[in-house]
Parts: sequence; structure tokens; C-alpha cells
Amino acid sequence: QTVVTQEPSFSVSPGGTVTLTCGLSSGSVSSSYFPSWYQQTPGQAPRALIYSTNTRSFGVPDRFSGSILGNKAALTITGAQADDECDYYCVLYMGSGISVFGGGTKLTVL
Amino acid sequence: EVQLVESGGGLAQPGGSLRLSCAASGFMFSHYAMSWVRQAPGKGLEWVSAIRGSAGSTYYADSVKGRFTISRDNSKNTLYLQMNSLRAEDTALYYCAKGRISETTREGFEHWGQGTLVTVSS
Repeated sequence: QTVVTQEPSFSVSPGGTVTLTCGLSSGSVSSSYFPSWYQQTPGQAPRALIYSTNTRSFGVPDRFSGSILGNKAALTITGAQADDECDYYCVLYMGSGISVFGGGTKLTVL
Repeated sequence: EVQLVESGGGLAQPGGSLRLSCAASGFMFSHYAMSWVRQAPGKGLEWVSAIRGSAGSTYYADSVKGRFTISRDNSKNTLYLQMNSLRAEDTALYYCAKGRISETTREGFEHWGQGTLVTVSS
């Protein structure tokens, strides 16, 4: 069974830049997996950030960007702010209507 | 404004059934694929199931295949999830999520409801 991998945790300094990644237990992520990214603060529903690798959802600031880096999808946050501290999830589309979430990354801003 | 409001959650016994509903408004419901995504307490998100906008084609995670059935009533702008043979590991907050295209949720989940809690316990 395919597993989508994310860093369990990451930290960034206020104002700094951080890149979170989304990989596959077997194989490489490409744009054909239509990677998307979501932000979730405790007690809240997820919020869409990026879809189709690098397209920002409506209202998402351009501090958030998506890309393919090497064999993984990536979410880069520039100018990190305190309220960026939350959980981030990626999703990969496996084809045939099937989507798989990564395990999520807990981002700390300190 | 897009709104997705889930209901139908509650306590069920192992082996029991529940039917979740998601009332949608603020967009052309039949034009978009829809999904259910769940989150067990303290855990990450898990995609459960999806259905294309015109209904017909349905898709399931292996963990629920054969036990859960997704459906929609486009005349009522409502999405459903019939959950049978429930297990303790199905305990989670179940979110309804709107896709961006009609055929699949390939382009991700644009809008989310606030979720309805399902607890499976004897």
C-alpha cells in the first residue's frame, strides 16, 4: 500500500523560510499526482492552501508556494508568522478517484 | 458563500450503522465532486470516499470499502455517507469536502464543513 510521507515536525524562526515536503514510500512525486496542501489549526477544519502542485487557493497569501523539489512535492512558507504555527497536510491523487493524505507536519514558529 | 453542514454523527455500537449527511449551499452542487474525509482523535486526516458531480462513479479508501457507501441527491444539494459494520477504528470527526471539478477530487478539496463526530463504542 502506498504511503504518503511528511516530516512529523519542523520548526522555523519568525520571519524565516521553511520548506515542507510530501513524498511517496515508493517512487517519486510529480505533478501527475496533483499535490495539494492544507493548513489546520487545533479545533478547526482544514483550510486549502495549494492545489495542482503550485496554484494558490483563493485568499491565500503569496508567502505560501508549492512546487516539486526533486522527487517530492514541497510547500514553502516565506516570512513565517506566529499564526503559521499549526499542522500542514499534503494530499496526492493516486488515480481512479483515490486520494491519500500524508501524515501531516506540525510546524512550530519560534 | 459556500457552506457545508454535516449532521448525523453520534454514538454507535460496534457492528452498527450510521448515516451522515452534508447539506451544501452557495454553489452549483451537481457540478462538483464531493468527498468525505475523517480525522480520528489526535490523529491526521484520512480520505474516506468521493463521488463525482453527476453521481454514478464512487470511490473508497481500502479501510472502508465494502462497509461504507457514498451517495448524493443533487435535487436536495445533499451528500450522504452510509456507514455499516462500524468498528472502533471508525471513531473520528467526519468532514464533508467540496472538490474543484466534476469528475473527481483530483484537484483537491476547496471547501470543508466543520465536521460531525462519530463514536463507535459498546
